[in-house]
Amino acid sequence: AQSVSQHNHHVILSEAASLELGCNYSYGGTVNLFWYVQYPGQHLQLLLKYFSGDPLVKGIKGFEAEFIKSKFSFNLRKPSVQWSDTAEYFCAVTRSSGSARQLTFGSGTQLTVLP
Amino acid sequence: KAGVTQTPRYLIKTRGQQVTLSCSPISGHRSVSWYQQTPGQGLQFLFEYFSETQRNKGNFPGRFSGRQFSNSRSEMNVSTLELGDSALYLCASSSGGADTGELFFGEGSRLTVL
Repeated sequence: AQSVSQHNHHVILSEAASLELGCNYSYGGTVNLFWYVQYPGQHLQLLLKYFSGDPLVKGIKGFEAEFIKSKFSFNLRKPSVQWSDTAEYFCAVTRSSGSARQLTFGSGTQLTVLP
Repeated sequence: KAGVTQTPRYLIKTRGQQVTLSCSPISGHRSVSWYQQTPGQGLQFLFEYFSETQRNKGNFPGRFSGRQFSNSRSEMNVSTLELGDSALYLCASSSGGADTGELFFGEGSRLTVL
């Protein structure tokens, strides 16, 4: 079975600091990768996704993620965070051969950005 | 356009009871997926319905069931509730195509089992 690990449970940064959230998955086959974000009081929404092609993916609000196949990783980055980035971030995976709706989620990383 | 609507938003039940949750997907979306979110287990896939058929099922006991209607609205039912069923139940809709990656989530139904 596939699994997703997000090792950072809670990250606290000051505004303008750089962000990198780790995501590792365990599955030997071809995968599709996602980052979802849940802002306080709001529903989960897609931040970015990787299906194929350029392993550096750019998403909304200045976020990007890099797929490194050899490391089974899909880390999320942002060069300069803002207070409004405070949210919980979830990495998710599906097998390319499986349903794109059957996501396996990581446990989430709570990001707190201090003004 | 309107987003995914889940009802009820909050509910309290006692052990042994059953509960039915409803989800109205985004207009035109034919796929509805259900997830359970708990602090201990995170987000876990329950099942997916597409065109009134269950297409995928997660690793949950048979007490968890669902269905989808011809208008794509979906319901999930949990029978013989246990304390551990307390969770936020999320519904997500998508167009259902094979290559779509984005799920549109509702705000969830928060179930508390006493």
